[in-house]
Amino acid sequence: GAVVSQHPSWVICKSGTSVKIECRSLDFQATTMFWYRQFPKQSLMLMATSNEGSKATYEQGVEKDKFLINHASLTLSTLTVTSAHPEDSSFYICSAMQGRRYEQYFGPGTRLTVT
Amino acid sequence: QKEVEQNSGPLSVPEGAIASLNCTYSDRGSQSFFWYRQYSGKSPELIMFIYSNGDKEDGRFTAQLNKASQYVSLLIRDSQPSDSATYLCASERTDKLIFGTGTRLQVFP
Repeated sequence: GAVVSQHPSWVICKSGTSVKIECRSLDFQATTMFWYRQFPKQSLMLMATSNEGSKATYEQGVEKDKFLINHASLTLSTLTVTSAHPEDSSFYICSAMQGRRYEQYFGPGTRLTVT
Repeated sequence: QKEVEQNSGPLSVPEGAIASLNCTYSDRGSQSFFWYRQYSGKSPELIMFIYSNGDKEDGRFTAQLNKASQYVSLLIRDSQPSDSATYLCASERTDKLIFGTGTRLQVFP
């Protein structure tokens, strides 16, 4: 149990375009989903917390107009990187939390390359 | 001071030995602690979580929590080369996890 999927697993896009990443909890309802970014050889950086049906809570320094998060249902959250630039190239990982349990289950990640 | 601190390593141990990974945290209000394993280029996978003082064992893994000392550790018995990865410690704070920077473990044959 506790399987989280992400799509796509990797994407290459041109500078200035937008990219949407989907995160799905496959076998449980995720009350809360999280979006992280990880640069090479660095730790996870939490970008935002997403609750179903409400606006995402962004961490300090994360541009909410650039990283649009939608949590449409208890099994789906999306992250849209708008007007992507090469510095947005990174490994984006979502995770999901089930109910009031604090353990998070991670998706396999999406590697974004902006050229 | 970082909220969750780990030695970045690498920690090198021979195959079959016990690997001991340590983590300290600063927020005394944290109640739940987690260990994740992350292979290079992959996302983290949950190994164990611990809420109570003392030891918690699961197969070759033992998590230890000492709230008075604000210290969490993970022991891996009979270490295998396949255990070579980065181990992330995390504490819970207001419904989100705070991660340490991770300790890289190398198990050599």
